[in-house]
Amino acid sequence: AQSVTQLDSQVPVFEEAPVELRCNYSSSVSVYLFWYVQYPNQGLQLLLKYLSGSTLVKGINGFEAEFNKSQTSFHLRKPSVHISDTAEYFCAVHNTGGFKTIFGAGTRLFVKA
Amino acid sequence: ETGVTQTPRHLVMGMTNKKSLKCEQHLGHNAMYWYKQSAKKPLELMFVYSLEERVENNSVPSRFSPECPNSSHLFLHLHTLQPEDSALYLCASSPQNREGETQYFGPGTRLLVL
Repeated sequence: AQSVTQLDSQVPVFEEAPVELRCNYSSSVSVYLFWYVQYPNQGLQLLLKYLSGSTLVKGINGFEAEFNKSQTSFHLRKPSVHISDTAEYFCAVHNTGGFKTIFGAGTRLFVKA
Repeated sequence: ETGVTQTPRHLVMGMTNKKSLKCEQHLGHNAMYWYKQSAKKPLELMFVYSLEERVENNSVPSRFSPECPNSSHLFLHLHTLQPEDSALYLCASSPQNREGETQYFGPGTRLLVL
């Protein structure tokens, strides 16, 4: 069965510092990978996704993620964060041939001035 | 309106009440989903509808009853809920129920069961 582990439940960081939010998954087949962001009092919205091709995926708001098949990871990075990046970030995986997306428990990013 | 809307945004109900959550999508999508979001837990997929037919019922208690009268509307009927059902209920839609597709989420209904 597929699963997603987000290794940090909370990540505090100062404004303009770099950040990495970690995500590992397990699956016996090929996968599609997603990062969603949830701002306060809003639903989730897609940041980026990996379907195939280049393992480095660029998304909105300056975020990027790298798919590492050997380490079964899909970590999210941003070189310089803003206060407005404060939100909860969800990693998700969808098995090829499956019809269900599995979400991680989320990482709360808190950007401090 | 655009995107995915949900009403009400907040709901407080007693354990003997009956209420319904409504979701509407204005994106022309054919698949709709209900998720339960509890603090510090992964999103739990509850129901999936594709072209108005239920394709997934993720072992959800019968006190939750979904209804999809057309591809734009999705309801979640609630009756005799328990306090542990308090959570944020999110609706989402996607063009089809296919792997690799982006899901578009509504803002959620925050439910409190007393």
